Amino acid sequence: AQSVTQLGSHVSVSEGALVLLRCNYSSSVPPYLFWYVQYPNQGLQLLLKYTTGATLVKGINGFEAEFKKSETSFHLTKPSAHMSDAAEYFCAVSDASGTYKYIFGTGTRLKVLA
Amino acid sequence: EPEVTQTPSHQVTQMGQEVILRCVPISNHLYFYWYRQILGQKVEFLVSFYNNEISEKSEIFDDQFSVERPDGSNFTLKIRSTKLEDSAMYFCASSEKGRKGQYFGPGTRLTVT
Repeated sequence: AQSVTQLGSHVSVSEGALVLLRCNYSSSVPPYLFWYVQYPNQGLQLLLKYTTGATLVKGINGFEAEFKKSETSFHLTKPSAHMSDAAEYFCAVSDASGTYKYIFGTGTRLKVLA
Repeated sequence: EPEVTQTPSHQVTQMGQEVILRCVPISNHLYFYWYRQILGQKVEFLVSFYNNEISEKSEIFDDQFSVERPDGSNFTLKIRSTKLEDSAMYFCASSEKGRKGQYFGPGTRLTVT
C-alpha cells in the first residue's frame, strides 16, 4: 500500500524567505509523485510532477522538488516566497501502472508574512 | 487551456435524497476519477473509471455511489440516499496518461442537512 506523510500542517515564512514543504512517501513500486496547490475556494492545480528521469523537477510559479529515493522524500522548495504563494499544498503519490489513482498527504497550509 | 468543469458548484440536499454531481473532463483524456475532501481532512480517492468501466474503487465507494459516462463527454457521480457524513467537497479529475498527472475540476461542495 502507498502512503504520503506531510510534516507540518502549517508553515509560516517571511516574504522573500526560502519555502520548504516536506513530503515523504511509502511505496512498494516505483512511484509517480506530484505536488498540487489549492487556493481558497478553488480546485487543485498541478505544480509539478516526478515520473521518471531527472530527479530535480521544476514546476510553475518558481517551485521545484527533488525526488530522493534513498530518503523516500519529495520535498517542495521555492527560493523566495511571495505573498501570492499563500495556499494549501498537497503531495500525492500514484502507482506507475494500474489506475494511477492518487494517495494524498494531509496537506500543508503555507502562510507568507509581510 | 482546456480545463475540467464541474456543476453545480454548491449543492444542498436533505438527508435521504439522491444527488448527481456532474463533470466534464478534458476532451482527449482517458482516465477519470472522483475524489472527496471532507472539511479539514485530506483528499480521498473514491473511484477511477477507464474504458467505460470502473477500474478501481475505494472502501468509501459502496453501493450508495455510482458513476456513469452517459454521452462521451460528461462524467457523473450519483449518491443515493445521502447521509450527513456525505457532506464534503467532491472533485472530479481526468488524465490523458497516468504519468502526465491528473487535472482537477473546481469541485462541488455538497451539504447534506
